[in-house]
Amino acid sequence: EVQLVESGGGLVQPGGSLRLSCAASGFTFNNYWMNWVRQAPGKGLEWVANINQDGSDKYYVDAVKGRFTISRDNDKNSLYLQMNSLRAEDTALYYCARSYVTASGTKWFDPWGQGTLVTVSS
Amino acid sequence: EIVLTQSPATLSLSPGERATLSCRASQSVSSNLAWYQQKPGLAPRLLIYDASNRATGVPARFSGSGSGTDFTLSISSLEPEDFAVYYCQHRSNFGPGTKVDIK
Repeated sequence: EVQLVESGGGLVQPGGSLRLSCAASGFTFNNYWMNWVRQAPGKGLEWVANINQDGSDKYYVDAVKGRFTISRDNDKNSLYLQMNSLRAEDTALYYCARSYVTASGTKWFDPWGQGTLVTVSS
Repeated sequence: EIVLTQSPATLSLSPGERATLSCRASQSVSSNLAWYQQKPGLAPRLLIYDASNRATGVPARFSGSGSGTDFTLSISSLEPEDFAVYYCQHRSNFGPGTKVDIK
C-alpha cells in the first residue's frame, strides 16, 4: 500500500524554524517527483514546493522562496521541508503528496499524506 | 499565471440528486485539469485527471468533462459519502473549491 506519513509540525514563534518530514512507503520513492501542499485553517489548497527524483530540480511558490527549502533522502525514502523565518501566514496543515505521472505524461497529486499542522504564533 | 475559478461556492443537494460543479480557467489549459475530493478532517483525494479520466477506485458516478477553459465535474446520484469539498487543479494552481452539502 502506498503511504505517506508527515511529521515535524508544531507551534513556533514568528521568525522561527521548523523541519517537516514525510516518510514514504509502498512504492519506489526515487522514481517520483514529490510535493508539499498546504492548507490554512478553513481555507483552500496551496502548492508550496516540489522536487524531482534525484533532488537536482526544486521549485517553490513565490510566498516561500528564500525561506523554505525542499529536499529528499532517497536512501531513507523521505521528503523534507526546512522552513525558516516563519510568519503567521505560514500557519497551515502541510501535506506531502506524490506526483502521479499518467501515460500521457501529465502529473497530478496522488496520493497525499494525512498532513502535519504548523502553527506560527507568539 | 493561470487562475482557476469554481462555481458555485456551495451546492446544497439531497442524496440521490445530480451534482454539477464548474471550474473555469483564465486561459486554455487543454485537458490538463484534475479534480480532488476532500472530506472533513481528511486529506484530498484525486478523483479525475486529464479532465475526464477517473482515478483508481473512483466510483463510476463521478465523471469529468471539458477542455480549454471550461470544465465540469458531475456526480450522477449523490451518495451520503459524497458530501465534501471539491477542488479543481492545473499544475501548481488550485481553484477555491466547491462545497457540496446536504440540503
